[in-house]
Amino acid sequence: AQTVTQSQPEMSVQEAETVTLSCTYDTSESDYYLFWYKQPPSRQMILVIRQEAYKQQNATENRFSVNFQKAAKSFSLKISDSQLGDAAMYFCAYGETSGSRLTFGEGTQLTVNP
Amino acid sequence: DTGVSQNPRHKITKRGQNVTFRCDPISEHNRLYWYRQTLGQGPEFLTYFQNEAQLEKSRLLSDRFSAERPKGSFSTLEIQRTEQGDSAMYLCASSLVPGGILVNEQFFGPGTRLTVL
Repeated sequence: AQTVTQSQPEMSVQEAETVTLSCTYDTSESDYYLFWYKQPPSRQMILVIRQEAYKQQNATENRFSVNFQKAAKSFSLKISDSQLGDAAMYFCAYGETSGSRLTFGEGTQLTVNP
Repeated sequence: DTGVSQNPRHKITKRGQNVTFRCDPISEHNRLYWYRQTLGQGPEFLTYFQNEAQLEKSRLLSDRFSAERPKGSFSTLEIQRTEQGDSAMYLCASSLVPGGILVNEQFFGPGTRLTVL
């Protein structure tokens, strides 16, 4: 079974600074998807960024980028120019190519200080 | 609003009662998923449907839980004889498969928060 581990329960960053959230996973599959989801307080989960495992190029979405290290099974999220609205719980998730379940990590609570 | 909707948003019940939650997915999405999220944890998979067929159920889905998607559109999740340990946020998500680059991107609803007294 796949597992996802987020070793940072909490992180904080100053507004306009850069922060990196860590995620490692375990799988025996060669093709899969990885995601970062954001869950603001009392609001629904939204997709921040996704990465297809067969792609070597790291995904980027505006201020959000990932560092995908397939051999190391590592998938970190970098948030540049942090904004107050980035404050949320961030979940790393693993998805099978069959489009079935997502397996989530425990989450990292990000605080952005003004 | 064309996103995933869930009703009710909050449910308080007494131990032993039955509860039912509803999820309306994004209209063109053929897959629908249920997850359970306890406080401070990531969502845990419960079950999912492709159209009206239930394709997979987690071990978390005990025999007190049942989910349906009768016409391949909305879905219901019923919990019978609720226990205090059932208190959690129940999340619904939907996706379109196959969908090219959108394969396996799941769109989440706001969740139903269940409190069992």
